[in-house]
Amino acid sequence: DAGVTQSPTHLIKTRGQQVTLRCSPKSGHDTVSWYQQALGQGPQFIFQYYEEEERQRGNFPDRFSGHQFPNYSSELNVNALLLGDSALYLCASSTPHRGGNEKLFFGSGTQLSVL
Amino acid sequence: GESVGLHLPTLSVQEGDNSIINCAYSNSASDYFIWYKQESGKGPQFIIDIRSNMDKRQGQRVTVLLNKTVKHLSLQIAATQPGDSAVYFCAENRPAGQNFVFGPGTRLSVLP
Repeated sequence: DAGVTQSPTHLIKTRGQQVTLRCSPKSGHDTVSWYQQALGQGPQFIFQYYEEEERQRGNFPDRFSGHQFPNYSSELNVNALLLGDSALYLCASSTPHRGGNEKLFFGSGTQLSVL
Repeated sequence: GESVGLHLPTLSVQEGDNSIINCAYSNSASDYFIWYKQESGKGPQFIIDIRSNMDKRQGQRVTVLLNKTVKHLSLQIAATQPGDSAVYFCAENRPAGQNFVFGPGTRLSVLP
């Protein structure tokens, strides 16, 4: 049973460029959440996708956008990259929302470096 | 603002000793909590969870305690092993919430 998989594992971009990160959820999961983790800090919520729609969004600018496909996989897009976007981007999947308790399972992340 | 925080940023323990990692949360409406372990170069790994209607929950070598009165959460690791060395995060989820709020993490170092 494959867990959450993310690609690529590492990525180097320059300021102003655009990037797309990909995520496949754990088998049986239909909800995907994206988190940004800066060095030495805890993950911060970007947004969550369910039924191919953005269900909730954290405090991130519109440069951050996403998509969920019919097979539940998801993409995170970041436009006009800034140096401050350098971070580990984590994808987490979960089972359908039940009573507010959603156990998140994380992938290993994509390490993005913006030069 | 609302946040989840940790009292100790680093913790060093002797191999075989018990470890206690603490976490304070500020939102009294939070009803579900998870402890995650993150090793270098990896994503957070689920350790144990607890709901707000419970005070204590035990797993294999780990115990989570929840004190709603003072909004405090702790993770106890029995007989700490070198493989327990990692950064530990607590995360809170609010009623009908769609996301988790993570604390800054505590680095646990196990000394030989």
